[in-house]
Amino acid sequence: GESVGLHLPTLSVQEGDNSIINCAYSNSASDYFIWYKQESGKGPQFIIDIRSNMDKRQGQRVTVLLNKTVKHLSLQIAATQPGDSAVYFCAENNPGTYKYIFGTGTRLKVLA
Amino acid sequence: GAGVSQSPSNKVTEKGKDVELRCDPISGHTALYWYRQSLGQGLEFLIYFQGNSAPDKSGLPSDRFSAERTGGSVSTLTIQRTQQEDSAVYLCASSLAGLGVGELFFGEGSRLTVL
Repeated sequence: GESVGLHLPTLSVQEGDNSIINCAYSNSASDYFIWYKQESGKGPQFIIDIRSNMDKRQGQRVTVLLNKTVKHLSLQIAATQPGDSAVYFCAENNPGTYKYIFGTGTRLKVLA
Repeated sequence: GAGVSQSPSNKVTEKGKDVELRCDPISGHTALYWYRQSLGQGLEFLIYFQGNSAPDKSGLPSDRFSAERTGGSVSTLTIQRTQQEDSAVYLCASSLAGLGVGELFFGEGSRLTVL
């Protein structure tokens, strides 16, 4: 079946460094992608989204890159802070459907 | 409140008992989703409600699971004859249109532990 997966289950970065979290998706028809952040004991929170007609989208300290050729999505966090420690999920959906398919998540640990 | 509200936040029950989990979505959101998150796992789709349309129950893992949404607002997820493998965090989310584009707003989840 279709799936959204992540390359690394845990990522450790030094405070102040940039973080890159990767995601692979399998459905070439997917045209909308979201990144969520989930802190311990809380529900997922929206970070940033991107449509397939874009290659890059920037938010506050975050950038999402989409490479449709290799079906790869990444989330870049600039100047990683302790508050960025969380599990990050990518999700995809297809046009005309309502189901969002979530990956298993990557845990980001920020080292002081 | 302004966000998605779920109750109870924690529920411990004995195997074989029935449980009900409640979700109060953001006012005006027509789409409501239930997801299950097992320890260290991603989000598993369970069921989707959109307005007055018939719900999509394709993600429910067994006939012990059911959900309803009354008046297009509050939803209840019921698990009958709970099993230990039902232990997980049950997340509810709502969105404005449910067209598959746009942010899902999640509640903080109901953590279910079946002893």
